[in-house]
Amino acid sequence: NAGVTQTPKFRVLKTGQSMTLLCAQDMNHEYMYWYRQDPGMGLRLIHYSVGEGTTAKGEVPDGYNVSRLKKQNFLLGLESAAPSQTSVYFCASSYPSGGLPDTQYFGPGTRLTVL
Amino acid sequence: GESVGLHLPTLSVQEGDNSIINCAYSNSASDYFIWYKQESGKGPQFIIDIRSNMDKRQGQRVTVLLNKTVKHLSLQIAATQPGDSAVYFCAETFYNQGGKLIFGQGTELSVKP
Repeated sequence: NAGVTQTPKFRVLKTGQSMTLLCAQDMNHEYMYWYRQDPGMGLRLIHYSVGEGTTAKGEVPDGYNVSRLKKQNFLLGLESAAPSQTSVYFCASSYPSGGLPDTQYFGPGTRLTVL
Repeated sequence: GESVGLHLPTLSVQEGDNSIINCAYSNSASDYFIWYKQESGKGPQFIIDIRSNMDKRQGQRVTVLLNKTVKHLSLQIAATQPGDSAVYFCAETFYNQGGKLIFGQGTELSVKP
């Protein structure tokens, strides 16, 4: 199993450009998440999904949109990139058990720079 | 609001010594706590977790202690090795929260040979 994969690994955008980050998992997990990590800080949740066709806002959702059309994929979109969105983006997935979350497995991250 | 924080941003230990990384959390209703290890340029990696109905859990060379009275979590690493050098994050989540994690700032562990 590949686990959680993210595409691309690196990207440089100009202010105002748009892009989509792709996350894929092959573990048949129900839950998927998008986090951002800024220097010297922990991860902050942007959006998450508890199943195919569902999405919900996390702690810092502004400026981002997501879609979960297929169970194994979770897309993160930036419609009009801003320098404040320069960060490392991590995707994660988990399989819930008994109402409590199971371990979240993280992808390798996407380093995004917005000029 | 809820928050998870770490007491020390950096920790330097000698190879072979035991390491203790601490974490404070603010929400007494938290159900589940996790420790993650993040090596440079990589995503966080699960180390060990503990449910709120437990006060101690052991893994291979790692032990997590939960003190609900003072809302404190700690990660103990026995016989610390150079490969343990990384940033360690604690995280908490709540029942029926869709698995949303609240991460602490992180502690950088440096192991001296």
